[in-house]
Amino acid sequence: AQSVTQLGSHVSVSEGALVLLRCNYSSSVPPYLFWYVQYPNQGLQLLLKYTSAATLVKGINGFEAEFKKSETSFHLTKPSAHMSDAAEYFCAVSDLTGRRALTFGSGTRLQVQP
Amino acid sequence: NAGVTQTPKFQVLKTGQSMTLQCAQDMNHNSMYWYRQDPGMGLRLIYYSASEGTTDKGEVPNGYNVSRLNKREFSLRLESAAPSQTSVYFCASSDPRVNYGYTFGSGTRLTVV
Repeated sequence: AQSVTQLGSHVSVSEGALVLLRCNYSSSVPPYLFWYVQYPNQGLQLLLKYTSAATLVKGINGFEAEFKKSETSFHLTKPSAHMSDAAEYFCAVSDLTGRRALTFGSGTRLQVQP
Repeated sequence: NAGVTQTPKFQVLKTGQSMTLQCAQDMNHNSMYWYRQDPGMGLRLIYYSASEGTTDKGEVPNGYNVSRLNKREFSLRLESAAPSQTSVYFCASSDPRVNYGYTFGSGTRLTVV
């Protein structure tokens, strides 16, 4: 079974600082990986996805993530945090059977300090 | 606007009551999903439907039933609500042939007292 571990349930950064949200996955085959963002009282919005093409994936709002097979990691980064980045972020891995269901990590809440 | 629509947005039930959460998508997606979100646990899959008329259990199906009556709609039913089912419920849809990403609805916040 596939699984996702997000290290750090809460991360706090200053505005303008580097954002690093960690995600490690467990999968017996090369996975498809995703990052989603959830703003308060809203649904989840896709930030970016890795589907076995380029290992460095660029997403919306200046975020990017790098797939590292040797480390089984897919960490999310942004060079300079903005107040509007405050939200909860979820890493997910795709079930590679026909149903393509996603398994989510427990989430990381990002706080941005002025 | 194209997307996934969930109703209702909020609901309070008494223990033992029943209700159906509705979900509809207008993107012609084959696959639809129901997840529940609980603090510190991320989202967990309740049920999945690959196409009209087919459903499959996910990680936490106990206490729930689903119906996929047509390609657009996928409903989730609680026959006898329990406090443990207090959660935020999300419906999602996808076309696995295209990009493997989900489109989520805005969620239903359910409280069982």
